[in-house]
Amino acid sequence: DAGVIQSPRHEVTEMGQEVTLRCKPISGHDYLFWYRQTMMRGLELLIYFNNNVPIDDSGMPEDRFSAKMPNASFSTLKIQPSEPRDSAVYFCASSLGSRRGNQPQHFGDGTRLSIL
Amino acid sequence: AQSVTQLGSHVSVSEGALVLLRCNYSSSVPPYLFWYVQYPNQGLQLLLKYTTGATLVKGINGFEAEFKKSETSFHLTKPSAHMSDAAEYFCAVSNSGGGADGLTFGKGTHLIIQP
Repeated sequence: DAGVIQSPRHEVTEMGQEVTLRCKPISGHDYLFWYRQTMMRGLELLIYFNNNVPIDDSGMPEDRFSAKMPNASFSTLKIQPSEPRDSAVYFCASSLGSRRGNQPQHFGDGTRLSIL
Repeated sequence: AQSVTQLGSHVSVSEGALVLLRCNYSSSVPPYLFWYVQYPNQGLQLLLKYTTGATLVKGINGFEAEFKKSETSFHLTKPSAHMSDAAEYFCAVSNSGGGADGLTFGKGTHLIIQP
């Protein structure tokens, strides 16, 4: 089975530009998570969805960040306007919820974002 | 609030030697605990998980971890290190099985294998 698919793998853009990161979860998974990884702060949960509905967005750093999940097979994380401090690796993960038992999260390969 | 502390940002062992990566957690509810491995330029791969039941958990690639509630620890071990074990290792805690809420990660431990 295909895993979690993220695109693009690498993104380099200038400060002030809009950035859109994309994620396709594993088919049948009802939870989707966005994480950010930096050297300074490690791995941080940004937001997660259950059945396409945002459940907890307390990790979203500021209003410049937004995430959507229009359907069960697609999610986006958008940064507008982007700033150099947003440079990081962004991971998407998906899972079956607790109603299915103790299922782990499966991670994509990440998007390495560089804001110049 | 939950937290995870991984002692040692870098651990170096010789090939064939015992691997021990330390993880201590803080949680107000019975925790679910995980170890993930990250190879360069890749996502995180689950090594093993503790949910309930047996406190000694066996994972992939010969790794295992023991949940010790009294010590709030979940250390990762492997009897004999292999060169392919060189990677970043993350300990994580969750309120659920990990599928239904976010994970709180430690800062990671970079495992170096000396030939």
